[in-house]
Amino acid sequence: QSVLTQPPSVSGTPGQRVTISCSGGSSNIGSNSVNWYQHLPGTAPKLLIFNNYERPSGVPDRFSGSKSGTSASLAISGLQSEDEGDYYCATWDDSLNGVFGGGTKLTVL
Amino acid sequence: QVQLAESGGGVVQAGTSLRLSCVGSGFTFSSWGIHWVRQAPGKGLEWVTVIWYDGSKKYYVESVKGRFIISRDNSKNTVYLQMNSLRAEDTAVYYCARDVAEYSNSMDYWGQGTLVTVSS
Repeated sequence: QSVLTQPPSVSGTPGQRVTISCSGGSSNIGSNSVNWYQHLPGTAPKLLIFNNYERPSGVPDRFSGSKSGTSASLAISGLQSEDEGDYYCATWDDSLNGVFGGGTKLTVL
Repeated sequence: QVQLAESGGGVVQAGTSLRLSCVGSGFTFSSWGIHWVRQAPGKGLEWVTVIWYDGSKKYYVESVKGRFIISRDNSKNTVYLQMNSLRAEDTAVYYCARDVAEYSNSMDYWGQGTLVTVSS
């Protein structure tokens, strides 16, 4: 069981907006910033969002992040077929270790 | 361009040891922390360990404490993961990744991974 809870799967049609939630606790999301990673089949994971809402250069503004209390979410607007893959939230835990969510599989219908 | 390359994976028997290497290029290696993250077959990403840019701090996931040791040689632009007393549940693709900021679990560049298979 992961420390951070994500829905196992979400789906949407091209052009739609989808959100992925990530729920944690006071020792992780509640006191540290949240990151989001995209992991497409056969590739290395890619940083999509860091520090709750910031995008690394090159990441389209279709991807946005937010955080409130002990929860965070990733929103993807203008869904595209190439967005299909796995998405993970991650943060630091005050027990001095990194933590990932269990991952959410995004299917573009 | 920033690159990270893992090596050292393979098939080993339970109870034995293996050492992974992560070589960085295209950036000032000695200024950045490095993480190891693994993905077991059919499972999600799991954070394993991190070492600070100067090696002064190291943190581990509970399941590998006392068995895995992370170290670095900045003169060789290399981080090592010494894995001892390997178990079947350590079977995974192991990625190294560059740390964006301390205590953030934010990683901006990743290697392609190296597969470790532990047979029981």
